[in-house]
Amino acid sequence: AQTVTQSQPEMSVQEAETVTLSCTYDTSENNYYLFWYKQPPSRQMILVIRQEAYKQQNATENRFSVNFQKAAKSFSLKISDSQLGDTAMYFCAFMDLHGQNFVFGPGTRLSVLP
Amino acid sequence: KAGVTQTPRYLIKTRGQQVTLSCSPISGHRSVSWYQQTPGQGLQFLFEYFSETQRNKGNFPGRFSGRQFSNSRSEMNVSTLELGDSALYLCASSLGGAQDTEAFFGQGTRLTVV
Repeated sequence: AQTVTQSQPEMSVQEAETVTLSCTYDTSENNYYLFWYKQPPSRQMILVIRQEAYKQQNATENRFSVNFQKAAKSFSLKISDSQLGDTAMYFCAFMDLHGQNFVFGPGTRLSVLP
Repeated sequence: KAGVTQTPRYLIKTRGQQVTLSCSPISGHRSVSWYQQTPGQGLQFLFEYFSETQRNKGNFPGRFSGRQFSNSRSEMNVSTLELGDSALYLCASSLGGAQDTEAFFGQGTRLTVV
């Protein structure tokens, strides 16, 4: 069974600065997908970024980028130029090609301070 | 287009009762997945339906069940409610194909069991 670990329960960052959230996972699969989801106080899960394991190039979406290290089974999220609206719970998630369901990490609560 | 709609948003039930939650996916999406979110256990996968068939199931007792209708709307039912069933229940919809990993979440139903 796959597991996802996020070792930082809480983090804070000053507005306009950069922050990196950590995620590690365990799987015996070779092909899979990794995700970062954001859950603001409204509770709705919002996709931040997605990475396909067979792609070596790190995914980037505007201010959000990942550092995907397949051999180390590490998938960290970097948020540049942090904004107050980035304040939320961030979940790292794994999906294999067969199950069609997410395995989520425990989450990191990020606070962006003015 | 309309997003994923979950009803009701809030629910209070008594131990021993049963409850039915509803999820209307994005138009054209054929897959609906359900997740339970609690402070202690985090986000856990309940089950996934695709074209009216349960395609995948998490590790929950038989008191948790679901179904999907021909219009892709899904319901989940919890019988003989326990205090520990208090949680945020999230559903996610996707196209459901093997490579269709993009899932859209509803805002959830907050169930409180007293």
